[in-house]
Amino acid sequence: KAGVTQTPRYLIKTRGQQVTLSCSPISGHRSVSWYQQTPGQGLQFLFEYFSETQRNKGNFPGRFSGRQFSNSRSEMNVSTLELGDSALYLCASSRGPEGFSEQYFGPGTRLTVT
Amino acid sequence: GIQVEQSPPDLILQEGANSTLRCNFSDSVNNLQWFHQNPWGQLINLFYIPSGTKQNGRLSATTVATERYSLLYISSSQTTDSGVYFCAVDNYGQNFVFGPGTRLSVLP
Repeated sequence: KAGVTQTPRYLIKTRGQQVTLSCSPISGHRSVSWYQQTPGQGLQFLFEYFSETQRNKGNFPGRFSGRQFSNSRSEMNVSTLELGDSALYLCASSRGPEGFSEQYFGPGTRLTVT
Repeated sequence: GIQVEQSPPDLILQEGANSTLRCNFSDSVNNLQWFHQNPWGQLINLFYIPSGTKQNGRLSATTVATERYSLLYISSSQTTDSGVYFCAVDNYGQNFVFGPGTRLSVLP
């Protein structure tokens, strides 16, 4: 069974631009969560989707948004990029419907904002 | 919100040595997972262990939910065990909170 995939793997953007990251979960998994990892703040929860609905959201500004499609694939969008948004963005999938049942992570998208 | 602490923050071992990593959490949780992050950033599942003890090869984990801690044991360490070990807890579906990690270096 294929694992969680994320695209793109690396991205360089300029301040003020926006970016969209994609995550395809393990087949049969219906919950997708997103996390930001930075050296200063560690791993932080962004949001979690199940059956196309955002169920939980972490403490991030409204510039961070996401959605989930009917095939469980998910995208996250960051608008008006800031230098501090440079990070490794990880998504995880789990079977659901429990909030955070056993999670499996993708390889991540490394975003650099210049 | 719930706080997760891990100790030690850094650990250097000689190949073949054993080690114990600890994870403390400040409130009751629905479940707990241990991960290993390799040098490329990939988070690899080690254990899903809300309570009790599990073993997988040279690794084992124990969670004592009533006392709010979990332990990860690594026996006969190998250089490929190097990386950062994270525990993370499910705050009853509201949030998935990671600890700061333990950075393990295994020397040949």
